[in-house]
Amino acid sequence: DAGVIQSPRHEVTEMGQEVTLRCKPISGHNSLFWYRQTMMRGLELLIYFNNNVPIDDSGMPEDRFSAKMPNASFSTLKIQPSEPRDSAVYFCASSVLSGTGDNEQFFGPGTRLTVL
Amino acid sequence: QQQVKQSPQSLIVQKGGISIINCAYENTAFDYFPWYQQFPGKGPALLIAIRPDVSEKKEGRFTISFNKSAKQFSLHIMDSQPGDSATYFCAASWGYQKVTFGTGTKLQVIP
Repeated sequence: DAGVIQSPRHEVTEMGQEVTLRCKPISGHNSLFWYRQTMMRGLELLIYFNNNVPIDDSGMPEDRFSAKMPNASFSTLKIQPSEPRDSAVYFCASSVLSGTGDNEQFFGPGTRLTVL
Repeated sequence: QQQVKQSPQSLIVQKGGISIINCAYENTAFDYFPWYQQFPGKGPALLIAIRPDVSEKKEGRFTISFNKSAKQFSLHIMDSQPGDSATYFCAASWGYQKVTFGTGTKLQVIP
């Protein structure tokens, strides 16, 4: 398997522009997570989905952030409008959520977002 | 109660030395404690994990020690190598719940 695929790997945009990050989870995984990583705040969970349904979006910082998972093989994280403080590395991760708690998450390579 | 507290924030160890990273949790429902390793420019990846029914788990040079009564667990890296230089995250989860990550420890192993 190719692992979790994220695109683009790097994104540079200007303040006020819309940014869309994309993720393809590992086939067969039923949970998908979006994280943001910065030096100041570390690794933050933004939102996660189980079986394509958003379960917890309490980490989404503002209404400018939105995420969708239209099917089991694709998810997007959108920022509109973007601001310089959104600059970070955004990771997508997927897992097979089991009741035993062995919820190993497989992370993608990340998207480095720079908002000028 | 969902927090996992991790220390130290950064660590410098001589090659061949022992690296120790500590974590503490409050939620007694947690029953799965993984450690993730992240190299620069990469996403975190599972390194080793433990359940609270054992006090220690060893995989090669990496050992997790678990103290259920104190609600603490730690990662020991024996014979640390420059290739171990990375950021390490402890984490905890239970049942169908999301994984809660610690704040990370940046380890640098110097020759």
